[in-house]
Amino acid sequence: GDSVTQKEGLVTLTEGLPVMLNCTYQTIYSNAFLFWYVHYLNESPRLLLKSSTDNKRTEHQGFHATLHKSSSSFHLQKSSAQLSDSALYYCALRNSAGNKLTFGIGTRVLVRP
Amino acid sequence: DMKVTQMPRYLIKRMGENVLLECGQDMSHETMYWYRQDPGLGLQLIYISYDVDSNSEGDIPKGYRVSRKKREHFSLILDSAKTNQTSVYFCASSLLQNQDTQYFGPGTRLLVL
Repeated sequence: GDSVTQKEGLVTLTEGLPVMLNCTYQTIYSNAFLFWYVHYLNESPRLLLKSSTDNKRTEHQGFHATLHKSSSSFHLQKSSAQLSDSALYYCALRNSAGNKLTFGIGTRVLVRP
Repeated sequence: DMKVTQMPRYLIKRMGENVLLECGQDMSHETMYWYRQDPGLGLQLIYISYDVDSNSEGDIPKGYRVSRKKREHFSLILDSAKTNQTSVYFCASSLLQNQDTQYFGPGTRLLVL
């Protein structure tokens, strides 16, 4: 079945530094739809950005990600982390044949002053 | 105001007791979901419902059942709860035509002693 790998369980960084969260996926289907969901403390998880177009950068709220089908990756990046970016970030996958999202285990980001 | 609600928010039960978790949404979304969130495991899909009385198992349905008698309500039932069902449970909803954008509730933290 489908799988999503987020290798980093916890990322700790200093405010103002760049952020990159890794996400790779596996699916037997040629078309893949990739997502980043963010879960802030005491809030509900919500969609941050999504993409299904190969090599096209997608951006939202200062974050960006590019789906690279050649490497099965969809890394999340931000040029300058803010304290308010501290949250749990989930990468998720939907294949073209299905209607379920497969989530990674999540990466917790802690931004320090 | 688009909203997914969950009741109760916190629940403590003893092993063997029955548990009822309730979810509501005011967006007339056809599709609703139940997930559980555990450290190191991420969000795992328990059940998905495509409309009233149209429910399908997710990835980890064992030990759970669901009920959807009205489009706006989706219940998760644990008959004879087990300690390994201690978790945070999230309900979500989406349009049938756009299942990529899921709206999550605030979660129910369940402790089974």
